[in-house]
Amino acid sequence: EIVLTQSPGTLSLSPGERATLSCRVSQSVNSIYLAWYRQKPGQAPCLLVYGSSNRATGIPDRFTGSGSGTDFTLTISRLEPEDSAVYYCQLYDSSPTWTFGSSPTWTFGQGTKVEIK
Amino acid sequence: QAQLVESGGGVVQSGRSLRLSCAASGFTFTSFAMHWVRQAPGKGLEWVAVTPYDGSSQYYADSVKDRFTISRDNSRDRVFLQVNNVRPDDRGVYYCARAAATGGSHLDVWGKGTTVTVSS
Repeated sequence: EIVLTQSPGTLSLSPGERATLSCRVSQSVNSIYLAWYRQKPGQAPCLLVYGSSNRATGIPDRFTGSGSGTDFTLTISRLEPEDSAVYYCQLYDSSPTWTFGSSPTWTFGQGTKVEIK
Repeated sequence: QAQLVESGGGVVQSGRSLRLSCAASGFTFTSFAMHWVRQAPGKGLEWVAVTPYDGSSQYYADSVKDRFTISRDNSRDRVFLQVNNVRPDDRGVYYCARAAATGGSHLDVWGKGTTVTVSS
C-alpha cells in the first residue's frame, strides 16, 4: 500500500509570501499520476495541478507543482488571503487501462492547512 | 459547464442502508469514469469507489469494499453509491467526482457533496 505524507501540517504565512508544501510518497511513482487539490472551508475540493506540474484550467501561475520519484512539491508564490485552505496531494497507483485485472486505487495525503495571517 | 449534484444524504440509523445519487450535466457523461470520495467531519479526503464510463467494472477502497456498491445509469446521467450496514464511521460528506479524460488519474470536476449522519 502506497502512503502519501504531507508536510507541514499547518503553514501560517503573510500575504505576499511563498508557501512550499511537500508530499512524500512511500515508494517511487510515475509523476504523471500525482495531483494537487485545494479545499476552502465549507467547499468541495478543486483540482489545482495534475501530472505533478500541469495547472488545471483557470488556476493562476502562482501555483506551481514539481517533483519526481518520491518527493513532490506545491509552491504558492505571492500568497493572497483567498489562498487560505487545506491542500491535498493525490496519487493514482495502478494501471489506467482497466483491463489487466488490477485494482486501481486513488490515495490522498492527509492535507496541509495554509493559514494567511 | 460541467456540474455534479449529489443527493440522498441525511440521517440514517446504524445498520440500515442508504443510496446516494449524483446527477451530472454539462458534459458527455458516457465518456467519463466517475468516483465517490468521502470526508469524515474534520478529517481529510478518502477515496471510496470508481466505475468506468460504461459501468463494466467497479473498484473500491479496502475499507468499504464489502458494504458499498457503485453503479451508474448512463441513460439518466447518474451515478449511485449504495451503502449497506451503515456504520458510525461512515458519517461525513460524500462527494461525487469526475475522472479527467486525460488518463483518468485525477478528478477534475467535483460536486458540492451530500452529508450522511449516522444515528445509533
